[in-house]
Amino acid sequence: GAGVSQSPRYKVAKRGQDVALRCDPISGHVSLFWYQQALGQGPEFLTYFQNEAQLDKSGLPSDRFFAERPEGSVSTLKIQRTQQEDSAVYLCASSLASGGVGGELFFGEGSRLTVL
Amino acid sequence: AQTVTQSQPEMSVQEAETVTLSCTYDTSENNYYLFWYKQPPSRQMILVIRQEAYKQQNATENRFSVNFQKAAKSFSLKISDSQLGDTAMYFCALRTSGTYKYIFGTGTRLKVLA
Repeated sequence: GAGVSQSPRYKVAKRGQDVALRCDPISGHVSLFWYQQALGQGPEFLTYFQNEAQLDKSGLPSDRFFAERPEGSVSTLKIQRTQQEDSAVYLCASSLASGGVGGELFFGEGSRLTVL
Repeated sequence: AQTVTQSQPEMSVQEAETVTLSCTYDTSENNYYLFWYKQPPSRQMILVIRQEAYKQQNATENRFSVNFQKAAKSFSLKISDSQLGDTAMYFCALRTSGTYKYIFGTGTRLKVLA
């Protein structure tokens, strides 16, 4: 596709369930980011991939959060044993640049997770 | 630590008028970029404009321009001839050479009134 695609767009989970959120970046984009956006807030960094390598996972809030990008394209963010505070929009963004500081981020529409 | 602060949670402007959104930031790095992103209701975030820290000239993209005051660590966005389609959340963001992270502010909700 032409843009960053995320699925599902909406996910309702019961507390304690595991969820998986998928991101399909723009073809050829080296960099992939996951951000968490709480209601009315700015995006908060979760993790960064350069191709298949996860170079920064300092933003993952707990060990219940896990991300992978095994073949350097599609990425999955997994949240185990979901809790209410995990409710947020999860944004995926990709960028052509690998080390460049000024690279433009291309965002998906996000996956809105609601934990009941 | 890098921080980005947007002190205006909400703003409104009449169609065709000019509005300025404020952003201040903090970093100890010399090599960095500043960005303004727009997030329309229920749509994905898109880049509006970016500024390289080492360039003194303010960036301009059509109706959008910035006022970059490096010493004051200020990076405001000016929207001229506001249009209804400019209604959105606007986020200021910072990326430095020392990290992969883009740091975002809390956003300013702009409403353009007909």
